[in-house]
Amino acid sequence: DAGVIQSPRHEVTEMGQEVTLRCKPISGHDYLFWYRQTMMRGLELLIYFNNNVPIDDSGMPEDRFSAKMPNASFSTLKIQPSEPRDSAVYFCASGTRRTEAFFGQGTRLTVV
Amino acid sequence: QQPVQSPQAVILREGEDAVINCSSSKALYSVHWYRQKHGEAPVFLMILLKGGEQKGHEKISASFNEKKQQSSLYLTASQLSYSGTYFCGTEGGSNYKLTFGKGTLLTVNP
Repeated sequence: DAGVIQSPRHEVTEMGQEVTLRCKPISGHDYLFWYRQTMMRGLELLIYFNNNVPIDDSGMPEDRFSAKMPNASFSTLKIQPSEPRDSAVYFCASGTRRTEAFFGQGTRLTVV
Repeated sequence: QQPVQSPQAVILREGEDAVINCSSSKALYSVHWYRQKHGEAPVFLMILLKGGEQKGHEKISASFNEKKQQSSLYLTASQLSYSGTYFCGTEGGSNYKLTFGKGTLLTVNP
């Protein structure tokens, strides 16, 4: 397996634009996590899914953020409209209970 | 609830030992340890499960005190390659909600 695959690796966008981040988890993993990493706040859990169903989205900062998992092999995190304070590295990770979570390489988002 | 890590940063000389601690205010099902180098994704080091099961790299050791909801990561005879930020992640309850502490920056100098 190629591991967790995220795209794009880098994204630069203007304030107010819509941004969509994509994630392909490892096949067979039934949990998928979205994290945001900044110097100030560290690794924040935004939302996680179990068997494609959102379980806890209490970490999603505002209604501007939304996430979907239409099937077991794909998830998106959307920000609309984007703001400069959304600039961060966004990680997707997947796993199964009683094992480690595997992280993707992350998407570095810059909102100008 | 985010676990609390200590210390926030530590500087070592090659060959020295270090201990990184992680604590939670909630009962834990498992503790995960990861290392992240600058500009890279976190890399798995070890998982410790309630009941005593452990899985991880041979050269890494850690402990998990279930009653105190605490875990410690032991780095012995440190090497330059050990430098990075170490994160503990914890989960408790019926679902796999994995939340991370703010990290411990470890610097190993020659």
